[in-house]
Amino acid sequence: DTAVSQTPKYLVTQMGNDKSIKCEQNLGHDTMYWYKQDSKKFLKIMFSYNNKELIINETVPNRFSPKSPDKAHLNLHINSLELGDSAVYFCASSQDSLPAETQYFGPGTRLLVL
Amino acid sequence: SQKIEQNSEALNIQEGKTATLTCNYTNYSPAYLQWYRQDPGRGPVFLLLIRENEKEKRKERLKVTFDTTLKQSLFHITASQPADSATYLCALVRGSGNTGKLIFGQGTTLQVKP
Repeated sequence: DTAVSQTPKYLVTQMGNDKSIKCEQNLGHDTMYWYKQDSKKFLKIMFSYNNKELIINETVPNRFSPKSPDKAHLNLHINSLELGDSAVYFCASSQDSLPAETQYFGPGTRLLVL
Repeated sequence: SQKIEQNSEALNIQEGKTATLTCNYTNYSPAYLQWYRQDPGRGPVFLLLIRENEKEKRKERLKVTFDTTLKQSLFHITASQPADSATYLCALVRGSGNTGKLIFGQGTTLQVKP
């Protein structure tokens, strides 16, 4: 009964490829997020969705495209992968989109671009 | 621009002592500040939230203070145990409403030795 799950856990791929990461939450939350944690451990928000609608879109290259088919799922598609995309990507969810809400994080997807 | 600083050096303490971690921020006055725990290879887990009008918040062995004049939050773990060893992240809330977001510090790694 994992609250926030992500697949895959590890992703190793070549530069220029396109890949997707999937996220699902079974908490009944309205808001979901994608974060990127770089090698220096900084965790930065990329996107957030509330009830399938995009509400936060940080300065992220257009190669990154999130998609939320329903409230419980938020996927991240990355086109033309670059070396600098190597990082750990975390999905998270919260009851609603107010920033004081507790965020529940998934286990992360470790992406390595060669 | 807003900046959050946590001590990037690991904090090593003896079991039973009190661990104190510092989070300093500049160029901002957040309404809320949160603390998360992150274990290696896992996503962050929410610990405590403190509001700007609260000086102190406690939860079991954890205590957080929030000094808006000093622009600083302190995170204390009393009677520390080896199981408390982890990286602790502070996050301040930037913005409000739907577009508010969490801005994370890079975390401080705590090592509690038996």
